[in-house]
Amino acid sequence: SQQGEEDPQALSIQEGENATMNCSYKTSINNLQWYRQNSGRGLVHLILIRSNEREKHSGRLRVTLDTSKKSSSLLITASRAADTASYFCATDARGAQKLVFGQGTRLTINP
Amino acid sequence: GAVVSQHPSWVICKSGTSVKIECRSLDFQATTMFWYRQFPKQSLMLMATSNEGSKATYEQGVEKDKFLINHASLTLSTLTVTSAHPEDSSFYICSATDRFSGANVLTFGAGSRLTVL
Repeated sequence: SQQGEEDPQALSIQEGENATMNCSYKTSINNLQWYRQNSGRGLVHLILIRSNEREKHSGRLRVTLDTSKKSSSLLITASRAADTASYFCATDARGAQKLVFGQGTRLTINP
Repeated sequence: GAVVSQHPSWVICKSGTSVKIECRSLDFQATTMFWYRQFPKQSLMLMATSNEGSKATYEQGVEKDKFLINHASLTLSTLTVTSAHPEDSSFYICSATDRFSGANVLTFGAGSRLTVL
């Protein structure tokens, strides 16, 4: 079954606005992570939230986790043109070594 | 922070030739490395998990004789696409975890774009 399905698939907003992306997953997890990918590049780790945490902040990023709904959200506040990228959630299923990535949200920040 | 070097960043080859992609952890020991394939505007598809000193574990549907993975040291894993064909053209990305890190956070290489003519 598909883990880590993001929505929306694509999001286009004006610079300065907030961007919210959502991720849903199906199985129990140890933690959930968000990664960013600039076009044609590798992924960069943004933030990790453990299964016993509900909210975490890092700079302009805010991540929430609702294990009862098996969902997470990533909020980027005061967006900048440089935030334009694809964002992926990844889940670390209990007992599994590998991460499973969602389909990603393509975020475009218009200047 | 942790850095993973992957190269070549792009390669063009003729059909039937083999191509090797290297993935190195520069400042940490990576007992486990992962190889992914990514099609345009799509997510990462895990191809195999590479553990140092042992055979790689391939995902279902990935041909192990086609995509040879070697992880001979704690800092180097290689992916060889054997007898490449145009349908193998893709973006290949490696990642690694720090053996001393408590969490399963991945450090990615910059990716290798393979074009098979």
